[in-house]
Amino acid sequence: NAGVTQTPKFQVLKTGQSMTLQCAQDMNHEYMSWYRQDPGMGLRLIHYSVGAGITDQGEVPNGYNVSRSTTEDFPLRLLSAAPSQTSVYFCASSYRTSGANEQFFGPGTRLTVL
Amino acid sequence: ILNVEQSPQSLHVQEGDSTNFTCSFPSSNFYALHWYRWETAKSPEALFVMTLNGDEKKKGRISATLNTKEGYSYLYIKGSQPEDSATYLCAPDTGRRALTFGSGTRLQVQP
Repeated sequence: NAGVTQTPKFQVLKTGQSMTLQCAQDMNHEYMSWYRQDPGMGLRLIHYSVGAGITDQGEVPNGYNVSRSTTEDFPLRLLSAAPSQTSVYFCASSYRTSGANEQFFGPGTRLTVL
Repeated sequence: ILNVEQSPQSLHVQEGDSTNFTCSFPSSNFYALHWYRWETAKSPEALFVMTLNGDEKKKGRISATLNTKEGYSYLYIKGSQPEDSATYLCAPDTGRRALTFGSGTRLQVQP
């Protein structure tokens, strides 16, 4: 199993450009999430999905769109990039057993917006 | 938004010191408490998932305790080593399908 994969690893954008961060998992997990890493704030939840066709907003959803057409893929779209979106983005997948929801993280995408 | 507090924000210790840090969270709607270890330039990795009040978990020199009634968990590292240097994140699981993480405790262990 590859686990959770993310592409690209690095990306530089200009303000106003759009792009899609890709995330895929091969563990047949129901749940997938996107987080961003902010200094002094740990990981903040952007959007999450509980299954194909179902998504919901996290703590910091503004400026981002998601969709989930398959169990495996959960892309994150930046509509019009802003310097405040410079961050490292982590995708995670999880399943629920016995009440616990352990997250498995991808390697991250480092995004710089100029 | 779930209020999760971790203290201290950062910690510098010498090799061989023992240390501990705290995670505070709302005690209502509690399912589980997660601890993650996050090394620089890597992805967070799960350390412990704790579900029962009074639960204690151990992995080598690292252990954790849980108090669900008062809403806190302690993480202990005995005899810290440089390879323990990382950010330690906690996340209470309220049954929602995604976790809300605390801001983390950054541990630096000096050789």
